[in-house]
Amino acid sequence: EPEVTQTPSHQVTQMGQEVILRCVPISNHLYFYWYRQILGQKVEFLVSFYNNEISEKSEIFDDQFSVERPDGSNFTLKIRSTKLEDSAMYFCASTRDPNTEAFFGQGTRLTVV
Amino acid sequence: KQEVTQIPAALSVPEGENLVLNCSFTDSAIYNLQWFRQDPGKGLTSLLLIQSSQREQTSGRLNASLDKSSGRSTLYIAASQPGDSATYLCAVYGATNKLIFGTGTLLAVQP
Repeated sequence: EPEVTQTPSHQVTQMGQEVILRCVPISNHLYFYWYRQILGQKVEFLVSFYNNEISEKSEIFDDQFSVERPDGSNFTLKIRSTKLEDSAMYFCASTRDPNTEAFFGQGTRLTVV
Repeated sequence: KQEVTQIPAALSVPEGENLVLNCSFTDSAIYNLQWFRQDPGKGLTSLLLIQSSQREQTSGRLNASLDKSSGRSTLYIAASQPGDSATYLCAVYGATNKLIFGTGTLLAVQP
C-alpha cells in the first residue's frame, strides 16, 4: 500500500542551526502539506503546496521556514535558524485532490537544545 | 475561526464493549471530515473520511456519522479490542484545503 515516508525519524539540533526535514509523498498525489504537533497539543497546519508553489501558510510559517520540491519525489521543510519552541513532531501529508483523504507520514521528532 | 473539540478527552473500557467518540466543530460550513488514529510517538493513520454530502461511512468495526447542521460527528467502534487502544483524532476541512484538528480522545481498552 502506498505510504508517505519521512526522514529522519528523530533529529536533535542546536538552537540557531538549520535543519531540513524530508518527505516522499504518495507518488500520484498532487497536494503536499506540513503539520506539526508540539508535545501534548493539537496537530496544527503549517503549509500547503501545489504545483510547485505554496498555496497557503499559517501564522507559524514565518520567514524562518521554507518548503521545496527539489525533484519529482521529495518534499522538504527547512527551518533556517531553529529555536527551542520549534521542538515538535513534524508531519508531512499528501492528498490526490483538495479536501480529500489525507495520508500522513510517521513524523520527524525535532528536538532543539 | 473553526474550533474542533473532542469529548471525552480520555476513555477506558473493557474489551468487547461498543463505544462512541464525539467530535464537534463550531463552523458547519465544512467540506469533509476525517478520523485518524495516533499511536504513542507515531504518525497519523487515516481511518475514515466522510464527505460533507454523506451522513455515514463504515469501515470494518468502525462507523462514523456526520451531522453538519449541528456541527457534530461520532465515531462508533464495535466490539473493542486491546489493539484499538490509541488516541483518536477528528479533523475538518474548512473553506481552504487544510485540516483543522481536534484535541483527541485517548482510548484504553482493557483486556
